[in-house]
Amino acid sequence: QVQLVQTGAEVKKPGASVKVSCRASEYTFTAYFINWVRQAPGQGLEWVGRINTYNGDTNFAQKFQGRVSMTRDTSISTAYMELRSLHSDDTAVYFCARVGGDNSGTYGVFDIWGQGTMVTVSS
Amino acid sequence: SYVLTQPPSVSVAPGQTARISCGGNDIDTEDVSWLQQRPGQAPVLVMYYAQDRPSGIPERFSGSNSGNTATLSISSVEAGDEADYYCQVWDANSDRPVFGGGTKLTVL
Repeated sequence: QVQLVQTGAEVKKPGASVKVSCRASEYTFTAYFINWVRQAPGQGLEWVGRINTYNGDTNFAQKFQGRVSMTRDTSISTAYMELRSLHSDDTAVYFCARVGGDNSGTYGVFDIWGQGTMVTVSS
Repeated sequence: SYVLTQPPSVSVAPGQTARISCGGNDIDTEDVSWLQQRPGQAPVLVMYYAQDRPSGIPERFSGSNSGNTATLSISSVEAGDEADYYCQVWDANSDRPVFGGGTKLTVL
């Protein structure tokens, strides 16, 4: 079935970087955006940014500008999010999610989610 | 920026109807989605474009959107419906999504 599968949990020290992957299956990878959303312990959903999987264009939430990058490898239907200069309040579960674009019929709809990747930042 | 406001919690007895609200300025002009997140799990889309159900979502789930309030209704509530529910729109002005703060549904 249509799904997104993410890499496993990560533990990083403050100042380090983390790269999380999100592998798509059973749909045309380049027909949908991949968005990244994080959730700190006990908190709500926070948008990190998105990548246009067709052309590689990215948009990020302002608070992450300069510290995040998003890439994709269309040959293996996988999107990546790298967050640098980690600090303790980056500790969260990071989700990738499929979101429809202009021609999808589900514009702006987060219809498929990965299982989440727990990133713990601790010294 | 656009803001979505949800009540922190809603409680309902089994078999009753739960209604979860999502407030936003002229939200009836927006395409509203609703996400269900059970403890320890990823969010699941349960409603989109205010009242369209993805395949596999029971007919007990319905949505409405009028004026400044969108509402997710769950009839004949079951214990398994206990979860956090988030509303979401895509803000065309900023070209980014906006999430409500989430509502914890408790089945008494």
